[in-house]
Amino acid sequence: DAKTTQPPSMDCAEGRAANLPCNHSTISGNEYVYWYRQIHSQGPQYIIHGLKNNETNEMASLIITEDRKSSTLILPHATLRDTAVYYCIVRPVWRWGGSNYKLTFGKGTLLTVNP
Amino acid sequence: GAVVSQHPSWVICKSGTSVKIECRSLDFQATTMFWYRQFPKQSLMLMATSNEGSKATYEQGVEKDKFLINHASLTLSTLTVTSAHPEDSSFYICSAIGRGMNTEAFFGQGTRLTVV
Repeated sequence: DAKTTQPPSMDCAEGRAANLPCNHSTISGNEYVYWYRQIHSQGPQYIIHGLKNNETNEMASLIITEDRKSSTLILPHATLRDTAVYYCIVRPVWRWGGSNYKLTFGKGTLLTVNP
Repeated sequence: GAVVSQHPSWVICKSGTSVKIECRSLDFQATTMFWYRQFPKQSLMLMATSNEGSKATYEQGVEKDKFLINHASLTLSTLTVTSAHPEDSSFYICSAIGRGMNTEAFFGQGTRLTVV
């Protein structure tokens, strides 16, 4: 079972920031928070991941609370092409030769960016 | 990011036949590959995990004799749906990770299988 909770859907106006929340209250100390998105009829696309510090890349920012029980993915200037299902996933540190890397997808949040 | 390519993007086959789907990592060595299945309006369900040169590990409820997975090289994994039936019609997606700690997984574009 997925260990995260996300709202089923959100709307955002084009050009505005989209803030997608995720609760992971049972996260362990060795688990990372990963975000992926899936545009309709395509494979998931990696966005960003973090352990405990906030992270930023060219796509988004990831804000993780100090207690690590929740996080927020921020798309600073949403465009129509950002309309997708966004998945928040926690997974343990990967060990070479181990089998614990697998990503378990929940239902995610359908973000609709409106013109 | 790294590129994972699936082929074909879509396929239609007759009931009872077998279909092979390829998943290739184009610019990195994929030590581990994953196969997912996604039904309409549902999330991705992991079917199996395969490490290069080893037998795949199947998730509970996935028939290993029906969904044959081969990961013979560091850049190629194949999923063969044997004796396909209409209920096997789905969106099949592979993902791959390379060497190195805590790296992200990259996904293929998916294969739409329709069994008629």
